[in-house]
Amino acid sequence: DIQMTQSPSSVSASVGDRVTITCRASQGISGELAWYQQKPGKAPKLLISDASSLQSGVPSRFSGSGSGTDFTLTISSLQPEDFATYYCQQAHSLPRTFGQGTKVEIK
Amino acid sequence: EVQLVESGGGLVQPGGSLRLSCAASGFTFSEYFMDWVRQAPGKGLDWVGRSRNKGNSYSTQYAASVKGRFTISRADSGNSLYLEMNSLKSEDTAVYYCARVTATYAYDYWGQGTLVTVSS
Repeated sequence: DIQMTQSPSSVSASVGDRVTITCRASQGISGELAWYQQKPGKAPKLLISDASSLQSGVPSRFSGSGSGTDFTLTISSLQPEDFATYYCQQAHSLPRTFGQGTKVEIK
Repeated sequence: EVQLVESGGGLVQPGGSLRLSCAASGFTFSEYFMDWVRQAPGKGLDWVGRSRNKGNSYSTQYAASVKGRFTISRADSGNSLYLEMNSLKSEDTAVYYCARVTATYAYDYWGQGTLVTVSS
């Protein structure tokens, strides 16, 4: 199975800050990576697929990059509605695996 | 509008069984792969298994942790996905989501989830 490791596990930030979350795969997955946002009590929401393709309706302050084993999700200017937990997921092979999550909290 | 609505969760004793349903609407269900993903209370996301479409022989695949105990099926005529869970363990306690698989193997639509609690 491919292990996905996110860092940090949590980050405290202020509105307007730039936030970067990293995700590392235990083996190469090309660009087959997705990022999700989850708010308490809600289902995850797809933000980015194929490592860098922004989903329709997702604000442009979200961006993704990387390939192979190392990936990043960047929020360029944090907004109040962005405080949530973020997960990466490899889409390379089954079983699908997710990172452990990064909680973005208000500083 | 695409909608996925899970049902069937509840409290069950260890060793018991439960059947979850996922009702799909707003898209051509029969064309899509569908997955079940679960989330234990306060924990991360955990893939349960996959249902492929008719073009892929309706094949299924499971996580090692549920293989032999859980069965995924679908009824394209009724736009429904199912998860039959047997020999339930306390570690199966989670919110269970059904999710639509995109062409790039991400999940673009999720249901609201249904809570399964395994406890005596």
